[in-house]
Amino acid sequence: GAVVSQHPSWVICKSGTSVKIECRSLDFQATTMFWYRQFPKQSLMLMATSNEGSKATYEQGVEKDKFLINHASLTLSTLTVTSAHPEDSSFYICSARADRASFFGQGTRLTVV
Amino acid sequence: GENVEQHPSTLSVQEGDSAVIKCTYSDSASNYFPWYKQELGKRPQLIIDIRSNVGEKKDQRIAVTLNKTAKHFSLHITETQPEDSAVYFCAASKDNQGGKLIFGQGTELSVKP
Repeated sequence: GAVVSQHPSWVICKSGTSVKIECRSLDFQATTMFWYRQFPKQSLMLMATSNEGSKATYEQGVEKDKFLINHASLTLSTLTVTSAHPEDSSFYICSARADRASFFGQGTRLTVV
Repeated sequence: GENVEQHPSTLSVQEGDSAVIKCTYSDSASNYFPWYKQELGKRPQLIIDIRSNVGEKKDQRIAVTLNKTAKHFSLHITETQPEDSAVYFCAASKDNQGGKLIFGQGTELSVKP
């Protein structure tokens, strides 16, 4: 399958700071990428759809000013968690569509202390 | 919006037995139904998918069935092995190119040797 790479794999940050997570499609171009959040022992919840060259589409209840998404190229989408707080600690995973299926990055474990 | 219900939440089987996981969806416009396997701390891996123009699909020990009328689909794993132990997620999408996914709650499968 297609390869999606996410960086960093884990990050610890102080409360009030911002963290940027990158999602790259390595062997294909992705005009659309998706960002999910997964709390421990829970399912993946779609946060937003990232569209290359245009604004992201956020799911209901997701604060667009807190979770900034930029999709500046056909192979890179970034998610910035602004003014992070302990309740933002979670596993963030991106996906991209290729070969009529979604392939996921390895995820980023964010811990806010 | 779409809602996906998945059962059971945990499933324990003996090695060699079969395992069945069931999902129901609410939006009749959904037309793509993938299944993902997720090991602890890892990314979800696509194991099989089915589109609404097909009632059943099989890949070696794994099969998926879809009943559009009843709006439910199931994952069948035969001859289970300890390495099948993981969390399995079903998902539904109105994008039959495999994009935006709404996930079920997950099933933790344990295969005992």
